[in-house]
Amino acid sequence: AQTVTQSQPEMSVQEAETVTLSCTYDTSESDYYLFWYKQPPSRQMILVIRQEAYKQQNATENRFSVNFQKAAKSFSLKISDSQLGDAAMYFCALLMYSGGGADGLTFGKGTHLIIQP
Amino acid sequence: DAGVIQSPRHEVTEMGQEVTLRCKPISGHNSLFWYRQTMMRGLELLIYFNNNVPIDDSGMPEDRFSAKMPNASFSTLKIQPSEPRDSAVYFCASNLGQGAGQPQHFGDGTRLSIL
Repeated sequence: AQTVTQSQPEMSVQEAETVTLSCTYDTSESDYYLFWYKQPPSRQMILVIRQEAYKQQNATENRFSVNFQKAAKSFSLKISDSQLGDAAMYFCALLMYSGGGADGLTFGKGTHLIIQP
Repeated sequence: DAGVIQSPRHEVTEMGQEVTLRCKPISGHNSLFWYRQTMMRGLELLIYFNNNVPIDDSGMPEDRFSAKMPNASFSTLKIQPSEPRDSAVYFCASNLGQGAGQPQHFGDGTRLSIL
């Protein structure tokens, strides 16, 4: 079975600063995908970024980027130029490659990100 | 494009009653997932379907829970009889299914409160 651990229940950052959210995972498989989802108070689950395990290049989406360290099983999210709208719960998630089709996500417990104006 | 649509958005009912949660996936998506979110356990996968067929229901907590997908555009999650510990936010998600690593698109969730 796979597990995802987010060791920071809460993080706080000043507006316009950079913050990094940590995530580690455990799996015995070599093919998998990693995601960060954002959940604002409206409780929507919004995809932030996606990383394929077979790609060494770190994924980026505008102000969001990841630091993927496969050997260390680490997948951190960096948010640059933090904005008030970034305040939310952030979930790290692992998706195994099942080969036959889709599979379910394994989520971490989340990190509550607070943006200080 | 319409996203994943869940109904109702909120449900409050008394213990012992039957509860039915509904989900319409994004048109063209072949896979559908039901998750439950609680403070204690976080987000947990309950069951998922590929091409309307249940693939893995190992996350369904008890026989009181059942899920169906009668066609490609509709799924239900039913709890009968409901208990206070079933109170949670229930999410439905869908993705293309075909091809590895497709991101899942979530509905807005149903907040269920069992009194």
